[in-house]
Amino acid sequence: GENVEQHPSTLSVQEGDSAVIKCTYSDSASNYFPWYKQELGKGPQLIIDIRSNVGEKKDQRIAVTLNKTAKHFSLHITETQPEDSAVYFCAAIEQGFSFIFGKGTRLLVKP
Amino acid sequence: DGGITQSPKYLFRKEGQNVTLSCEQNLNHDAMYWYRQDPGQGLRLIYYSQIVNDFQKGDIAEGYSVSREKKESFPLTVTSAQKNPTAFYLCASSQTGDGYEQYFGPGTRLTVT
Repeated sequence: GENVEQHPSTLSVQEGDSAVIKCTYSDSASNYFPWYKQELGKGPQLIIDIRSNVGEKKDQRIAVTLNKTAKHFSLHITETQPEDSAVYFCAAIEQGFSFIFGKGTRLLVKP
Repeated sequence: DGGITQSPKYLFRKEGQNVTLSCEQNLNHDAMYWYRQDPGQGLRLIYYSQIVNDFQKGDIAEGYSVSREKKESFPLTVTSAQKNPTAFYLCASSQTGDGYEQYFGPGTRLTVT
């Protein structure tokens, strides 16, 4: 089955700097890769996603890149702000609808 | 106001008691999911259902049970057979098919002592 590895587990950046979180997956048949942001005590919320027929997608300060050959995808946050501080999860889809999640990255943006 | 609701937000139980966590959605989604979240473990799938009256075990189904009698509802029972039930439980729903976003509820934190 699918396996998703996420790095780093914690990331601390200064406000205004960029943050990059990387995930690798094992199943070459996976074709949908969402990224979720989870604030303390709340459920995860989708922030951006990418499908396997696209190499990059951008939404304001957030971008995701996908390398199907290497089976890895990355989340890029530019001009970080303190409100970006949260836990971020990547996921890859298995068997058409069941997500396999990475273990999460705790991002801290220091003012 | 569409979305997923989970109740209660905090739940406390004594060891040996069964407890049922509620999950309701008004998004008209066919698929619903239960995840367990522990510190440093990410989200692990307990059970999922793609259609009413049908559900499948996820990776960590032992000690849990579910029902799907209505499209809108997918309650999870944590039984006394679950050896380490204290955790944060998340319910999600999605459309069925290839590559649809899962929408998550606010979660229920269960503490068993």
